[in-house]
Amino acid sequence: QVTLRESGPALVKPTQTLTLTCTFSGFSLSTSGMCVSWIRQPPGKALEWLALIDWDDEKYYSTSLETRLTISKDTSKNQVVLTMTNMDPLDTATYYCARLYSSSGSMDVWGQGTTVTVSS
Amino acid sequence: DIVMTQSPDSLAVSLGERATINCKSSQSVLFGPTNKNYLAWYQQKPGQPPKLLIYWASTRESGVPDRFSGSGSGTDFTLTISSLQAEDVAVYYCQHYYSTPPGTFGQGTKLEIK
Repeated sequence: QVTLRESGPALVKPTQTLTLTCTFSGFSLSTSGMCVSWIRQPPGKALEWLALIDWDDEKYYSTSLETRLTISKDTSKNQVVLTMTNMDPLDTATYYCARLYSSSGSMDVWGQGTTVTVSS
Repeated sequence: DIVMTQSPDSLAVSLGERATINCKSSQSVLFGPTNKNYLAWYQQKPGQPPKLLIYWASTRESGVPDRFSGSGSGTDFTLTISSLQAEDVAVYYCQHYYSTPPGTFGQGTKLEIK
């Protein structure tokens, strides 16, 4: 059974750096074609894709946020970490991680999400 | 960047009736060498993460009821629910994955019971 779980702080202050961890099980990120993505959703708003890391350690970022994002993986721990610098109240959102496999090209299993509020 | 535009923004359909949601991309998401449309549909119920329904524009994810179907090619796509059930109330999103990396979502369509 494939599962993903997001973890990180519920509250960060403006200008701080956010670090989120996605811990997964049921698959290996060293398997060819396997990827993990981060997606966020501000309250009452649409989904926004943020970043992706693949089995070959290739990394991709949203063009609008790429200067603030860093994604990395620890295959031995089955974890993917996303950092976002210079947090702003507009970054308040639920942050999801999801598995993406090349056979479907889309995100077939999602975590439950973690809610992050940016406020002083 | 490819922009995805869904219509309508909200939709109310009677139980047992057909629901149709449209998605238009600002450029084609049909990849010639594979002849596949790089387009997915997701369903999100309140308080839940999104759920993958359809990929490659028309392939139903395992376990998704066959009343859900996807169609279209190039820039115009449709998600159809053939006979609306109460549990289908949700927000539906299309997303392209034509470019590397996976790309933008549509703005979402809220489906309610009339």
